[in-house]
Amino acid sequence: DSGVTQTPKHLITATGQRVTLRCSPRSGDLSVYWYQQSLDQGLQFLIQYYNGEERAKGNILERFSAQQFPDLHSELNLSSLELGDSALYFCASSITTNTGELFFGEGSRLTVL
Amino acid sequence: AQSVTQLDSHVSVSEGTPVLLRCNYSSSYSPSLFWYVQHPNKGLQLLLKYTSAATLVKGINGFEAEFKKSETSFHLTKPSAHMSDAAEYFCVVKGETDNYGQNFVFGPGTRLSVLP
Repeated sequence: DSGVTQTPKHLITATGQRVTLRCSPRSGDLSVYWYQQSLDQGLQFLIQYYNGEERAKGNILERFSAQQFPDLHSELNLSSLELGDSALYFCASSITTNTGELFFGEGSRLTVL
Repeated sequence: AQSVTQLDSHVSVSEGTPVLLRCNYSSSYSPSLFWYVQHPNKGLQLLLKYTSAATLVKGINGFEAEFKKSETSFHLTKPSAHMSDAAEYFCVVKGETDNYGQNFVFGPGTRLSVLP
């Protein structure tokens, strides 16, 4: 158990809909990262937050947004969903030090029909 | 900027034989390096990490990796493969941006198959 909790584990929805994925980081970790993993694109970094503020941005679509709340949990919002958004979405957290590693949650599997 | 190359997309070994998964990195300074393992439909789990201490790093489940600066390599090895080692393996280099931004660069992954 990594200590990172993601909900929901599975989500099935239709094209055009909006969903919210939730992540609770490990206790004491201030940084939260979101990744998308699909068969054709591999593991893609989306966005990072540190103590409530956005710190790094990757290949995140404009239809996607995220935030980190004062209690450090984070949410990833996906809107106007397309078939190609079907993927595993991972949250990870880390201590912000020079050598801190990422701790991953079990992921949220999104299926868009 | 950092980058990671995993030289093999798929490696197949027989149970009980050695495992070698290759990783080369590019970094403008002394990096932190990691190997993660992902079993099907699971999250990524840290196997081991290098953080400028000993160049030979021991991890979980009998895996180890050697940091070779002259070759910019961080290959993952295990003396004897077990069926439960079948999984996807990711080599990761960590860079830093300003202002507490952190950049973990993932390799494309190597799928390890273990044959009975």
